[in-house]
Amino acid sequence: NAGVMQNPRHLVRRRGQEARLRCSPMKGHSHVYWYRQLPEEGLKFMVYLQKENIIDESGMPKERFSAEFPKEGPSILRIQQVVRGDSAAYFCASSPAGAGRISGANVLTFGAGSRLTVL
Amino acid sequence: SQKIEQNSEALNIQEGKTATLTCNYTNYSPAYLQWYRQDPGRGPVFLLLIRENEKEKRKERLKVTFDTTLKQSLFHITASQPADSATYLCALDMYSGTASKLTFGTGTRLQVTL
Repeated sequence: NAGVMQNPRHLVRRRGQEARLRCSPMKGHSHVYWYRQLPEEGLKFMVYLQKENIIDESGMPKERFSAEFPKEGPSILRIQQVVRGDSAAYFCASSPAGAGRISGANVLTFGAGSRLTVL
Repeated sequence: SQKIEQNSEALNIQEGKTATLTCNYTNYSPAYLQWYRQDPGRGPVFLLLIRENEKEKRKERLKVTFDTTLKQSLFHITASQPADSATYLCALDMYSGTASKLTFGTGTRLQVTL
């Protein structure tokens, strides 16, 4: 029973290039969340998706960032024209729909993260 | 907007002692408060959750309290071990009626020494 799978684990890009981070949720989970963690800072919520739908993108920068969770395949976080400030660890997490939750709470299972370095 | 405060300074304690970590928040109380553990280079791992109408929850050596009047949760690890050394994050489940998302504190690093 594989957990949340993220790849690549490490990604190096030059300024102006594009970064694509992939996330396969845990089996049976239909909700995907992306968080960003900067050094010495906490996890910052970016976006919440269900299959083919963006539910909440209030934490996503308005430009250059996009996310999708297609009907088939992993969720993708895409960063266009990367800048040095985008260097961070990006974590994906998944959770089941309401009926599968612990005491009704939205408990997240996290992947190991993708570490983006922008040169 | 909701602010979550955890002690940013590392907590250093001796093996066998009880570690107590604090999580304070502003504004309204969440439906649930959760605690996660994060090791360097890894994603957070869920430990324990407590509902707003619960005062205390236990799981093995872990205990969580939740005081909605003080807007505070305390996380205790009894008989601490060096393997407990990690960063501990509290998270508030801010259910909006249509979707819930977790808002995390910055975490407190715990170092347990022999």
